[in-house]
Amino acid sequence: NAGVTQTPKFRILKIGQSMTLQCAQDMNHNYMYWYRQDPGMGLKLIYYSVGAGITDKGEVPNGYNVSRSTTEDFPLRLELAAPSQTSVYFCASTEGWTGNTIYFGEGSWLTVV
Amino acid sequence: KQEVTQIPAALSVPEGENLVLNCSFTDSAIYNLQWFRQDPGKGLTSLLLIQSSQREQTSGRLNASLDKSSGRSTLYIAASQPGDSATYLCAVNRWGKLQFGAGTQVVVTP
Repeated sequence: NAGVTQTPKFRILKIGQSMTLQCAQDMNHNYMYWYRQDPGMGLKLIYYSVGAGITDKGEVPNGYNVSRSTTEDFPLRLELAAPSQTSVYFCASTEGWTGNTIYFGEGSWLTVV
Repeated sequence: KQEVTQIPAALSVPEGENLVLNCSFTDSAIYNLQWFRQDPGKGLTSLLLIQSSQREQTSGRLNASLDKSSGRSTLYIAASQPGDSATYLCAVNRWGKLQFGAGTQVVVTP
């Protein structure tokens, strides 16, 4: 069973370029999240979704966009990449937020130069 | 604003010793608290989830306590093994959004 799958694993972007980080889950979870983790820091919530067609901002949404057209997929788009977006990005999903296990992908390492 | 703090930032213990990891949070209005393990270059794995109405949760050698009134949770790992070496993060759940501490990096030496 795949769980939460993120692609790509590693990417180097030039300042001003755009790209999309892909996230897919095969557990039929309604709740999906995007976090970023900077060195020595905890994870910070970028965007989340409670179901197909419904998304909302987290703590650090600036410079990012999301969409959720299906239950399975939750892509994160970086527009006009900046060095401050150099980070590790994690996608996560859960069946429900009241007491269910949350599953994380293995992360996408992004460097903006 | 909720703040989640984990002390110490790093910990090194000899194999067999018990581990005690601390997590504190400033706002007690949480739904639950979770402990995660993160291995280098990997995602997070959920270890224990404690609902706000619970005092503790146990799984094998792991035991987590929660004192909401004082804003503290403690993760105990009994009889540590080299395979327990990892970073451990706690996160509080407020309305479905997890807020994380920075983690405690643990090294268990043989």
